[in-house]
Amino acid sequence: SQKIEQNSEALNIQEGKTATLTCNYTNYSPAYLQWYRQDPGRGPVFLLLIRENEKEKRKERLKVTFDTTLKQSLFHITASQPADSATYLCALGGGYNKLIFGAGTRLAVHP
Amino acid sequence: DAGVIQSPRHEVTEMGQEVTLRCKPISGHNSLFWYRQTMMRGLELLIYFNNNVPIDDSGMPEDRFSAKMPNASFSTLKIQPSEPRDSAVYFCASSLRGQGSQETQYFGPGTRLLVL
Repeated sequence: SQKIEQNSEALNIQEGKTATLTCNYTNYSPAYLQWYRQDPGRGPVFLLLIRENEKEKRKERLKVTFDTTLKQSLFHITASQPADSATYLCALGGGYNKLIFGAGTRLAVHP
Repeated sequence: DAGVIQSPRHEVTEMGQEVTLRCKPISGHNSLFWYRQTMMRGLELLIYFNNNVPIDDSGMPEDRFSAKMPNASFSTLKIQPSEPRDSAVYFCASSLRGQGSQETQYFGPGTRLLVL
């Protein structure tokens, strides 16, 4: 069955450093992959989408890579700020805009 | 745009009672998704609709769960009878599916359900 793995442990980093979150998957060939941010008590919010034929995507301080051979996506936040503290969810995309979500990684950026 | 609207935001009920969760998707969106989120299982897709038609309900845990979408601007998720293990946050999301559209899903604020 399809499986998505994200770091289950929280990631703690110092303000100004680059945060790198990992998403690995098996038994799936997604047409695209998305990253969402979720704050406590709120619904997930879309951040970035990367398609299977793309290697890298950037948006401001965010960067996503997608390696379909390794079945892995890396999500980077450069010059991290305390306001970036949240849970980040990886989601694999298929037909009908259906998404399968990973469990998420909690990021804590300390001043 | 008001975004996806869900009601109620919080629901506390007793085991055996019927629970109805409501969702109003973003105007113009043609796909609607119901998710359940718990600490143990994360964000699980329950069912999704395209143009008001259920496409895949394989994520619905049991026959106690049912969902409807009578028109493009309204959907319900019903649990009857409810059980304590149904306690979770239920999210509704909508998106626009079609050529040239984005696959982004827009989530509502969620309904926090507690079944005693």
